[in-house]
Amino acid sequence: AQRVTQPEKLLSVFKGAPVELKCNYSYSGSPELFWYVQYSRQRLQLLLRHISRESIKGFTADLNKGETSFHLKKPFAQEEDSAMYYCALNPADNYGQNFVFGPGTRLSVLP
Amino acid sequence: EAGVAQSPRYKIIEKRQSVAFWCNPISGHATLYWYQQILGQGPKLLIQFQNNGVVDDSQLPKDRFSAERLKGVDSTLKIQPAKLEDSAVYLCASSLRRAKSRGDTQYFGPGTRLTVL
Repeated sequence: AQRVTQPEKLLSVFKGAPVELKCNYSYSGSPELFWYVQYSRQRLQLLLRHISRESIKGFTADLNKGETSFHLKKPFAQEEDSAMYYCALNPADNYGQNFVFGPGTRLSVLP
Repeated sequence: EAGVAQSPRYKIIEKRQSVAFWCNPISGHATLYWYQQILGQGPKLLIQFQNNGVVDDSQLPKDRFSAERLKGVDSTLKIQPAKLEDSAVYLCASSLRRAKSRGDTQYFGPGTRLTVL
């Protein structure tokens, strides 16, 4: 079955430092990967998806099928980036399997 | 556009009692999801509807949980009877496209925080 892992529960960086939130997945097909974010007292919302290959709020993520990873990166962290980040997988080519979220990483950007 | 609405926002019940949650998705969205998020974990999909039909309920504990989406719009999720381990945030989400299609974005409601004592 498909699975998403995020090895860090908490990641603390200083403002202006680079940040990388790790995401690894296990899935035998061709997955669609997402990053969702939840800021304090706000709803869970989409940050970016791999098929768009876009940069949102300075964040980028590249799907590496060889390493089965979809790490989220930002060169210079800002305090407003502090939030919970969830990596998620959509097994869109396998109707019998479900959308799955990772356990999440709490990013804390220190002043 | 108005977002996904959920009620109530908070609910405290005793074990073995019943509880129901309500969700109103974004207008025109075909697919509706219910997730359970236990503290410290990511959301876990319980059930997925496309219009008023169930697409997947493989992770729904059917001995105590039930859900329906009458007329393909609003949805209710019920727990009867509740157990201590059901304490969690219950999230509803909706998306425009058909279930499990590529390029789809899920829009989440604020969630209902359930505490079972």
